[in-house]
Amino acid sequence: EIVLTQSPGTLSLSPGERATLSCRASQSVSGSYLVWYQQKPGQAPRLLIYGASTRATGIPDRFSGSGSGTDFTLTISRLEPEDFAVYYCQQYGSSPRYTFGQGTKLEIK
Amino acid sequence: EVQLVESGGDSVQPGGSLRLSCATSGFNFDIYAMNWVRQAPGKGLEWVSYISVGSTSVYYADSVKGRFTISRDNARNSVHLQMNSLTAEDTAVYYCARDVADCSTGTCYEIRFDSWGQGTLVTVSS
Repeated sequence: EIVLTQSPGTLSLSPGERATLSCRASQSVSGSYLVWYQQKPGQAPRLLIYGASTRATGIPDRFSGSGSGTDFTLTISRLEPEDFAVYYCQQYGSSPRYTFGQGTKLEIK
Repeated sequence: EVQLVESGGDSVQPGGSLRLSCATSGFNFDIYAMNWVRQAPGKGLEWVSYISVGSTSVYYADSVKGRFTISRDNARNSVHLQMNSLTAEDTAVYYCARDVADCSTGTCYEIRFDSWGQGTLVTVSS
């Protein structure tokens, strides 16, 4: 089973700053199968990035994804107030079919 | 507009059963695989189950294998999750999510969950 470890657990930043969120896999993951979601309190998750680096429809270009192998990164270039949320990475594998990281909470400093 | 609406969540005693439903609209349901994902209170996301387009392939997380059964009704554009032998650890908000992938080459790539319902709460408590 591939385990995804996200860091940091909590990231405290101010609007306008740059956010860098990490997702590390216990084994190599195809970038094609690495996904990022955003979740705000009381809401369902929202697809942000798939294929490690492709923005989903309607996602602003301040969000970008990168990485390969075991190390993947979600970067938010310039934080807007609406970006403060919890972010999850996810991978598609063999067993279990899907796994999520434990999440990174991005909070306002 | 793509819509997924879960229902069936309730409060149930340990050992009990519950059937969740996800009604969909706004897209051709019968060409998409579907998933259930849950989130315990204050916790992260946990994938629960997957069902392919024709129901030929189903997968489960180890934590629910043998107790939960996923099914779909393509005529009614809905997916269901039968949950038996419930325990307190099954307490969570349950989301259905549409599974999307690029399978044009025969192998599927860029797999992701592109649409989610609002969730339905299952509480298992005595």
